[in-house]
Amino acid sequence: ETGVTQTPRHLVMGMTNKKSLKCEQHLGHNAMYWYKQSAKKPLELMFVYNFKEQTENNSVPSRFSPECPNSSHLFLHLHTLQPEDSALYLCASSPYPAGASTDTQYFGPGTRLTVL
Amino acid sequence: EDQVTQSPEALRLQEGESSSLNCSYTVSGLRGLFWYRQDPGKGPEFLFTLYSAGEEKEKERLKATLTKKESFLHITAPKPEDSATYLCAVSSGAGSYQLTFGKGTKLSVIP
Repeated sequence: ETGVTQTPRHLVMGMTNKKSLKCEQHLGHNAMYWYKQSAKKPLELMFVYNFKEQTENNSVPSRFSPECPNSSHLFLHLHTLQPEDSALYLCASSPYPAGASTDTQYFGPGTRLTVL
Repeated sequence: EDQVTQSPEALRLQEGESSSLNCSYTVSGLRGLFWYRQDPGKGPEFLFTLYSAGEEKEKERLKATLTKKESFLHITAPKPEDSATYLCAVSSGAGSYQLTFGKGTKLSVIP
């Protein structure tokens, strides 16, 4: 399998549930990202991992907990979410570490999350 | 703070009717400007990266251009399969790895 994959593609959860989103990249990249995409809003960067180390947390609530065990895998652990957290969650990767001359990011298909 | 504004929000074209999408940006030192295409329910698909004013890139019916304040995505003789939301993003500043995205332009091409 090639590119950036995400599972599951769709997830419905209650506010008291705990679930995890998974992202895997097959591009040999060193940086991975989580974004949130809500209707009528620009993509919002949530977390950045560079060589497995978290280098950015854009004031994301603690009910979202990222994990990056290696440069190819990224998880987003979810617990006690709110209905306003319903959105498309996108994973991306880029071929260079932070600070390099090119920042092109390649996205996965996303997980459509609905919080009831 | 970097800002990206895309216009129009939505655009309907007849098949074969050429047009342009606009992306205006305000950044403190542009590193790159990116165009993506996003189909409903899918992740953004990378189209182009532009690095400096005057640069142009082409791919099939699409051509992206860049000035110091804005970028245009020109669509020549569009087909229905070009219907999608087109996203513009910028990265800026030394050591930056963050992309700032616009809200996108939803393009519909009518047969």
